[in-house]
Amino acid sequence: DSGVTQTPKHLITATGQRVTLRCSPRSGDLSVYWYQQSLDQGLQFLIQYYNGEERAKGNILERFSAQQFPDLHSELNLSSLELGDSALYFCASSPVGGRSYNEQFFGPGTRLTVL
Amino acid sequence: GESVGLHLPTLSVQEGDNSIINCAYSNSASDYFIWYKQESGKGPQFIIDIRSNMDKRQGQRVTVLLNKTVKHLSLQIAATQPGDSAVYFCAEKLGAQKLVFGQGTRLTINP
Repeated sequence: DSGVTQTPKHLITATGQRVTLRCSPRSGDLSVYWYQQSLDQGLQFLIQYYNGEERAKGNILERFSAQQFPDLHSELNLSSLELGDSALYFCASSPVGGRSYNEQFFGPGTRLTVL
Repeated sequence: GESVGLHLPTLSVQEGDNSIINCAYSNSASDYFIWYKQESGKGPQFIIDIRSNMDKRQGQRVTVLLNKTVKHLSLQIAATQPGDSAVYFCAEKLGAQKLVFGQGTRLTINP
């Protein structure tokens, strides 16, 4: 158990809908990362937050957004869903600074299925 | 460009043998290279990292080798055990926090 929790575990929805994925980082970790894992694209970095502020952006679509709240939990919002958005979405967290960014602690993931 | 790839998608080894998983990278500006392991149904788990100014680093039963001349990274697992069955990803760190992951190699252990 990495200490990172994600809810829900599974999510099934229809095209055009909007969903919210939730992540609670390890106690004390200020950085939260979101990744998308699909069969054809592998593990893709989406976005990182540090202590409530956006720090780095990857291949995140404009239909997707995220935020990190004062209690450090984070939410990833996916809107106008398309079939191709079906994937595993992972949240990871890491402690502050430098080399510690290499060791990210991943949650169990949310499996999103868009029908 | 930002691209980390793997030579082989699958690797099958006998229990007790050593495993070698390879990875090619393209970005010479990366300051760290990292290996992650993902077991079925779980999120990736950090194994070991190596700074770009090193060519070898050892951990518990694992060794990472970095050859910057040919932009090649490898993970060696000694005395492979059934619990080592997983998908292994190499990743490179670009900038302060961004990790770029390769496609992954599935390691299966034969009894």
